[in-house]
Amino acid sequence: GGIITQTPKFLIGQEGQKLTLKCQQNFNHDTMYWYRQDSGKGLRLIYYSITENDLQKGDLSEGYDASREKKSSFSLTVTSAQKNEMAVFLCASSSLIANTEVFFGKGTRLTVV
Amino acid sequence: GQGVEQPAKLMSVEGTFARVNCTYSTSGFNGLSWYQQREGQAPVFLSYVVLDGLKDSGHFSTFLSRSNGYSYLLLTELQIKDSASYLCAVRDRNSGTYQRFGTGTKLQVVP
Repeated sequence: GGIITQTPKFLIGQEGQKLTLKCQQNFNHDTMYWYRQDSGKGLRLIYYSITENDLQKGDLSEGYDASREKKSSFSLTVTSAQKNEMAVFLCASSSLIANTEVFFGKGTRLTVV
Repeated sequence: GQGVEQPAKLMSVEGTFARVNCTYSTSGFNGLSWYQQREGQAPVFLSYVVLDGLKDSGHFSTFLSRSNGYSYLLLTELQIKDSASYLCAVRDRNSGTYQRFGTGTKLQVVP
């Protein structure tokens, strides 16, 4: 089996700060995703990348940038952290061919003070 | 519009069953997945359905009615450890590769 590793697990930032979240997967999956999870709001897609060198905006891309550095890694940047923002950011991956199952990392919990 | 709706909470008694409902609206349905998410943990895939009817996977079964935009996840012989959030996710032809998630249903199994 494979694993998705997200770093850091906890991230505390200041208002207006630029923050970067990292994700690595060893499934050899083509497609990677970044979701944001807020209490009571489910998972909302921020960015995804179908294959290496591809980048697609999701429903919640404003205020974020993403970069698919190589097939195994996908990073997300919060361009300007909002005060009192608190959410969990989940990285995920799936096979391009058999993408019915999506595998998730354990998440990065962001707090902005 | 397109959306995925789930009730926020559900409570059931140990040893009985729980049915977690999901309704969706989409312009071109292309599959529905169910995930389990324990507190503080990553979502874990349970089941995928694309055809109408009941799909029995032992402890978990899933039902789909495409004409009604409706699915449910049925958990039988409930155990306390089944307490978790259950997420429904729909893929449609507009979203293509990615799945659109509902808000999740938090199931509490009580003795």
